[in-house]
Amino acid sequence: DGGITQSPKYLFRKEGQNVTLSCEQNLNHDAMYWYRQDPGQGLRLIYYSQIVNDFQKGDIAEGYSVSREKKESFPLTVTSAQKNPTAFYLCASSIGWNTEAFFGQGTRLTVV
Amino acid sequence: AQSVTQPDIHITVSEGASLELRCNYSYGATPYLFWYVQSPGQGLQLLLKYFSGDTLVQGIKGFEAEFKRSQSSFNLRKPSVHWSDAAEYFCVSNTDKLIFGTGTRLQVFP
Repeated sequence: DGGITQSPKYLFRKEGQNVTLSCEQNLNHDAMYWYRQDPGQGLRLIYYSQIVNDFQKGDIAEGYSVSREKKESFPLTVTSAQKNPTAFYLCASSIGWNTEAFFGQGTRLTVV
Repeated sequence: AQSVTQPDIHITVSEGASLELRCNYSYGATPYLFWYVQSPGQGLQLLLKYFSGDTLVQGIKGFEAEFKRSQSSFNLRKPSVHWSDAAEYFCVSNTDKLIFGTGTRLQVFP
């Protein structure tokens, strides 16, 4: 089945540790996105990539890093510089601009 | 810059009642607009989309939306709400990147 897979579903980390969230898609989509969702704040764009080996900062990129070495993969690293990392993280992909996006089931990150 | 506004943070309706969720966009050219639904702790599911052509678009689960250029709106409607429609609804545009509205949480009373 084609789709987007985020893993793990739940992730716990100690404060000060970097953590990497996985996002893989087999839809052959060029564009991929990472969003952060906090209660009452909707979805905020962290990073997006329109093509392999290229990505752009979104609205809240500070404390996060990404890579896009392969078309199907867009991992997000939450670094120790992110002051409030506990949140629900959603990955999405689309064929390109002007098309609908498909979403993964999300990863809930808790930093203690 | 493009933006999407959902003025209603929370809406409560009775089961069987009609529903309209508001969405306003800001973009010079014709936007590409979508409505998504999210159940608690889950990803987002596409309800419907508008690219061009007919201004009234039909989606899944009995939802429809009407694009009104004069009002810069793309409101979501359903004639009779079911308890299973309780969720959060997002209006989204994708002209150069995905832009989300802040979402409307729908609560349905029996």
